Amino acid sequence: GENVEQHPSTLSVQEGDSAVIKCTYSDSASNYFPWYKQELGKGPQLIIDIRSNVGEKKDQRIAVTLNKTAKHFSLHITETQPEDSAVYFCAASTSGYSTLTFGKGTMLLVSP
Amino acid sequence: SQTIHQWPATLVQPVGSPLSLECTVEGTSNPNLYWYRQAAGRGLQLLFYSVGIGQISSEVPQNLSASRPQDRQFILSSKKLLLSDSGFYLCAWSVRTSGTEAFFGQGTRLTVV
Repeated sequence: GENVEQHPSTLSVQEGDSAVIKCTYSDSASNYFPWYKQELGKGPQLIIDIRSNVGEKKDQRIAVTLNKTAKHFSLHITETQPEDSAVYFCAASTSGYSTLTFGKGTMLLVSP
Repeated sequence: SQTIHQWPATLVQPVGSPLSLECTVEGTSNPNLYWYRQAAGRGLQLLFYSVGIGQISSEVPQNLSASRPQDRQFILSSKKLLLSDSGFYLCAWSVRTSGTEAFFGQGTRLTVV
């Protein structure tokens, strides 16, 4: 089955800095890669996603890149703000299967 | 619009007691439904998923079971809770197409004492 590795497990940045979280996946048939943000005590919420026919996608301060050859994808957050502090999860989904495989999460701490 | 309801929000249960967590989805038909567990605030472990009424797939053999008595209702149960069952339980749904996002409920914090 699919295996998703996520790094780093914890990331501390100063407000205004950029943050990058990286994930690798094992199944070359995976074709959908969402990113979720989870605030303390709440369920994860989708913040951005990318499909295998696209190399990069941006939404304001958030961007995701995908390298299918290397089987890795990354989340980029620019101009970080304290409210960006949360746990971020990457995930991968393989065509024909309806379940997502999640990475172990990255705790992002943005200091004012 | 679609909404997902999960309750209770918190639960403290003694070891050996039964468990029933309920999840319902509104505003959509024939969803895929999922139960995840999150231990120590990190890592989402898929426990069960269902593609239809009465159809349950178990990802991890353990002390828990799931049932889907109605199209938009998903129940997580246990006959006798263990200390190791403590965690944050999340219900989620997605449309019946692969390669789509999952929408999560707000979770249930279960503490077994």
